[in-house]
Amino acid sequence: EAQVTQNPRYLITVTGKKLTVTCSQNMNHEYMSWYRQDPGLGLRQIYYSMNVEVTDKGDVPEGYKVSRKEKRNFPLILESPSPNQTSLYFCASSLPPAGENSPLHFGNGTRLTVT
Amino acid sequence: GNSVTQMEGPVTLSEEAFLTINCTYTATGYPSLFWYVQYPGEGLQLLLKATKADDKGSNKGFEATYRKETTSFHLEKGSVQVSDSAVYFCALDNTNAGKSTFGDGTTLTVKP
Repeated sequence: EAQVTQNPRYLITVTGKKLTVTCSQNMNHEYMSWYRQDPGLGLRQIYYSMNVEVTDKGDVPEGYKVSRKEKRNFPLILESPSPNQTSLYFCASSLPPAGENSPLHFGNGTRLTVT
Repeated sequence: GNSVTQMEGPVTLSEEAFLTINCTYTATGYPSLFWYVQYPGEGLQLLLKATKADDKGSNKGFEATYRKETTSFHLEKGSVQVSDSAVYFCALDNTNAGKSTFGDGTTLTVKP
């Protein structure tokens, strides 16, 4: 089954403790992206990757890192999480960068709480 | 820069009522337009899309027409069901830009 898989689904951590949220897709998509969803703010893009070894900042990249060493994986790294990073996070992928014939495919989300 | 403005929610309707969720956009060039739906506890999934002016996207009884003159992409359904209760996001993408832009989402609740 074609899918985007995120892990974990739920994560509670403390300020400053490094964490990684994994994202994997099995559709051979070139483009991958991370979003955070907050009440009243909709979906905001954190980082995106057009292909292996190519990553770019989205609208809210501060406090996050990503890497794209292989096509299928795009982990999101929080080196020193803070409470304002408490949010619902979504990974997404598409064939070429999302556009005419490339809708985004989303994972089921990771609910992160930083205390 | 690009932006998407959606009708504010929440929206509550009775079953079989007519639904409209407004969406207007600002973008450079000729973006593709999308509606995504998010059911409780799940990620977003594509509902419909339109890639050029006057195109109509449709799926599951939902429709939206790409209106370049009014920069709009309003979502409509003639008769909603309880199972349509979800959050609906309007979005745009400039081809090859890599940066997607989403509206804030509109929560729809349909009561029996």
